[in-house]
Amino acid sequence: AQKVTQAQTEISVVEKEDVTLDCVYETRDTTYYLFWYKQPPSGELVFLIRRNSFDEQNEISGRYSWNFQKSTSSFNFTITASQVVDSAVYFCALSERGRDDKIIFGKGTRLHILP
Amino acid sequence: DAGITQSPRYKITETGRQVTLMCHQTWSHSYMFWYRQDLGHGLRLIYYSAAADITDKGEVPDGYVVSRSKTENFPLTLESATRSQTSVYFCASTGQGRGEQFFGPGTRLTVL
Repeated sequence: AQKVTQAQTEISVVEKEDVTLDCVYETRDTTYYLFWYKQPPSGELVFLIRRNSFDEQNEISGRYSWNFQKSTSSFNFTITASQVVDSAVYFCALSERGRDDKIIFGKGTRLHILP
Repeated sequence: DAGITQSPRYKITETGRQVTLMCHQTWSHSYMFWYRQDLGHGLRLIYYSAAADITDKGEVPDGYVVSRSKTENFPLTLESATRSQTSVYFCASTGQGRGEQFFGPGTRLTVL
């Protein structure tokens, strides 16, 4: 069965600190996609990244980076030099190949960046 | 405008009334979804649709009805609203094989 676990329900860091959001997933499929979404205080859900199970290269986009490790079934998200605008709820999600009808979300991590 | 829109953005209704939340997307995505978001529960799938005239239940379908007569529209109806249906409702869509879903801005529904 599919499952996504975000063990950190809430994190607070001071601005400019680095912070890592953890995501652990379970799936029986060998082909799957992993995602991260951001939900800022305004409420919309913003797609950040998609990674397929065959691509374990880390990805960096500005201050954001993602570390995908199949060996530990983890897809962690790091924000470097955090800013107040990074304050949001972040969701990790999983879908299996060919299963457009199903995307499983974690419960989310609420990130507070303190000025 | 291109994208996915929801209306109304805010709605207050009373117990027992029928309410319809609208969702419209301009990408011609085949799949569309309705979620509700509640504190402590994250995002829960209510219903989804693979194409026009094809719908299926998600995790929490009770008390909701959907239809999809056109690819671009996916309305969600609460036939007799209850207080437990007070929530934020998100519509989403995805193209075939892409996986990632794109979300509308949400509708905040309050049932008194």
